[in-house]
Amino acid sequence: KQEVTQIPAALSVPEGENLVLNCSFTDSAIYNLQWFRQDPGKGLTSLLLIQSSQREQTSGRLNASLDKSSGRSTLYIAASQPGDSATYLCAGPSGGRRALTFGSGTRLQVQP
Amino acid sequence: KAGVTQTPRYLIKTRGQQVTLSCSPISGHRSVSWYQQTPGQGLQFLFEYFSETQRNKGNFPGRFSGRQFSNSRSEMNVSTLELGDSALYLCASSSPGGGAEAFFGQGTRLTVV
Repeated sequence: KQEVTQIPAALSVPEGENLVLNCSFTDSAIYNLQWFRQDPGKGLTSLLLIQSSQREQTSGRLNASLDKSSGRSTLYIAASQPGDSATYLCAGPSGGRRALTFGSGTRLQVQP
Repeated sequence: KAGVTQTPRYLIKTRGQQVTLSCSPISGHRSVSWYQQTPGQGLQFLFEYFSETQRNKGNFPGRFSGRQFSNSRSEMNVSTLELGDSALYLCASSSPGGGAEAFFGQGTRLTVV
């Protein structure tokens, strides 16, 4: 059974800082991992999907990596902005199924 | 290209009632999954439908059920509502294939009073 853990639970940084969000998972047979953003009371916005055959995926100021051997993924946000304030969630499929197991999220606040 | 559409956005129901939520996936997507999000339990998988068949089911009581229609639209039903069913219910759609990206709707906020 897949278990996903995210550290830290909350993070507050000044605008302009580069930051790293961490995600760890227990099932190394994971075939992809997805990072999402959630604004309060809203749905999830997909940020990046990394397939198991990839090691990194980039979109604008975001870069995500996946290391299956260590059971870890990181989301790197460059030059953070107040608009980046949100909860960031990582999720991976469980046991080869399409059902996603989510971490509890990292609540990010970027101070202007 | 339209995203995943969930209706209604907000619902208030009384304990013991039943409720039906609707999800229209992205055009061409045949897989629809449902999730429940609560402050205490986070995001939990309810079930997945593909081509009108339930393929996976999470650890929820039988009061939670769903179905998918031939046009891939999906509904989920919760019967005999309990206070603990108050949550944000999210629907996700994806194209066929194990490595497909999941796209979520804005959710339905259900409040049970």
